[in-house]
Amino acid sequence: ETGVTQSPTHLIKTRGQQVTLRCSSQSGHNTVSWYQQALGQGPQFIFQYYREEENGRGNFPPRFSGLQFPNYSSELNVNALELDDSALYLCASSRMTGPETEAFFGQGTRLTVV
Amino acid sequence: DAKTTQPPSMDCAEGRAANLPCNHSTISGNEYVYWYRQIHSQGPQYIIHGLKNNETNEMASLIITEDRKSSTLILPHATLRDTAVYYCIVKAPNAGGTSYGKLTFGQGTILTVHP
Repeated sequence: ETGVTQSPTHLIKTRGQQVTLRCSSQSGHNTVSWYQQALGQGPQFIFQYYREEENGRGNFPPRFSGLQFPNYSSELNVNALELDDSALYLCASSRMTGPETEAFFGQGTRLTVV
Repeated sequence: DAKTTQPPSMDCAEGRAANLPCNHSTISGNEYVYWYRQIHSQGPQYIIHGLKNNETNEMASLIITEDRKSSTLILPHATLRDTAVYYCIVKAPNAGGTSYGKLTFGQGTILTVHP
C-alpha cells in the first residue's frame, strides 16, 4: 500500500468531452508525475509537476494539461477526448530534493472513451 | 535516459529463485537502475534501485555488473503472487541532475511463477 490515491477508479466519457482526474501524493513528497498506459503497453510519461509548475513533459499534445496544488496534490485534465485516450492513467509521487528516493504509484484511473 | 533490454518472458518454479536480467549498455555515470513490477493493471510497485553497488531489501536483491552495463533482479524464493510484468528502468537522478526524474518504461519481462 502506497500513500498515493487516485480518483475516480473508473470513468466512461464520450468523445469530445473533457475529463479531470485527481491524485493525492504521499506524505513528504513534493513532485507528482502522470503516466498513460494503453492496453498491453508500458506506462508512458505525460508530464511532471514540481512546486506547482510543469517541469517536464512527454510526447503528449497540449489538450493534456495539469495542475499541482500547495498540498502537492494534482489534477490531470484532458480536453476534446479521443477514442485513443482510453487507457489507465497513473499518478506517481516522489521527492525532487534530498537523497535519491523512489516514486510511488497510485492504483490508477481506468478511462474509457466511447 | 538510457534504453534497457529485457527478455519478453520468463518462467520460474514456486520456491525457486527468479533471476531477471536487464541490459543497459548506454547507461550514464549518474543514472540509477530501478526495478518496478506491475500485477494485472494495478499501479506499478517499486521493488529496488541502485547506482553502483549491489542492493538488497525485503523484496529482492539487485546485482549490478562492475561496468554497470547490465543488472540482475533476484527474487530469492518466488511465490505465485510474484507473477507480474517486471520493468527495468534507467533513470536520471531526481535532484541535481540535468533531467527531471521521469521513468521510461519499456515492455518489461512477464514473469510467470508455476506451482
